[in-house]
Amino acid sequence: DTGVSQNPRHKITKRGQNVTFRCDPISEHNRLYWYRQTLGQGPEFLTYFQNEAQLEKSRLLSDRFSAERPKGSFSTLEIQRTEQGDSAMYLCASSLAGINEKLFFGSGTQLSVL
Amino acid sequence: GQQVMQIPQYQHVQEGEDFTTYCNSSTTLSNIQWYKQRPGGHPVFLIQLVKSGEVKKQKRLTFQFGEAKKNSSLHITATQTTDVGTYFCVEGSNYKLTFGKGTLLTVNP
Repeated sequence: DTGVSQNPRHKITKRGQNVTFRCDPISEHNRLYWYRQTLGQGPEFLTYFQNEAQLEKSRLLSDRFSAERPKGSFSTLEIQRTEQGDSAMYLCASSLAGINEKLFFGSGTQLSVL
Repeated sequence: GQQVMQIPQYQHVQEGEDFTTYCNSSTTLSNIQWYKQRPGGHPVFLIQLVKSGEVKKQKRLTFQFGEAKKNSSLHITATQTTDVGTYFCVEGSNYKLTFGKGTLLTVNP
């Protein structure tokens, strides 16, 4: 168990640029989540995959955000035409579906939009 | 997910003092999870409570789920500097785990 891995750890970009983050979940986990966290706030749900299917996307997520999990393993989160308000920590978590389901988080990608 | 309210937002204690954070919901919760996030770190799972009135202990930490399954608490006995961090209660309906705003605990050595 190598844990949930996220890359890059930090990303600085200029407003209007596109960025893509990657998440590698724990290998046997079938569920994958993306959360966003700003300073002093709890993680905010963005989207969720069960295997390769994206089952829910937060209403707070604009159409500039897209996530994929093409083979039910790693996932990518892309933000197009970044805005300063997109600056946040983007956290990925994975879990194994079941009664005692618990989330294992990665260390996150810190995005700064200048 | 349903909205859970957590109080207090901040708590500063002297090392050795006890600490409690509370999580409340206006509706019945299917289950509640607790996570801890150290400064600069990511949330780490602590415990899940499912049954009405459930009490679970982990060393100096005691977790409770209310009889009506509308509230939960985390109590730390004799805090240590290693307890510093933000404690989140998380309501989990089906798959969508909704985090509260958390309680930031700081401990003065």
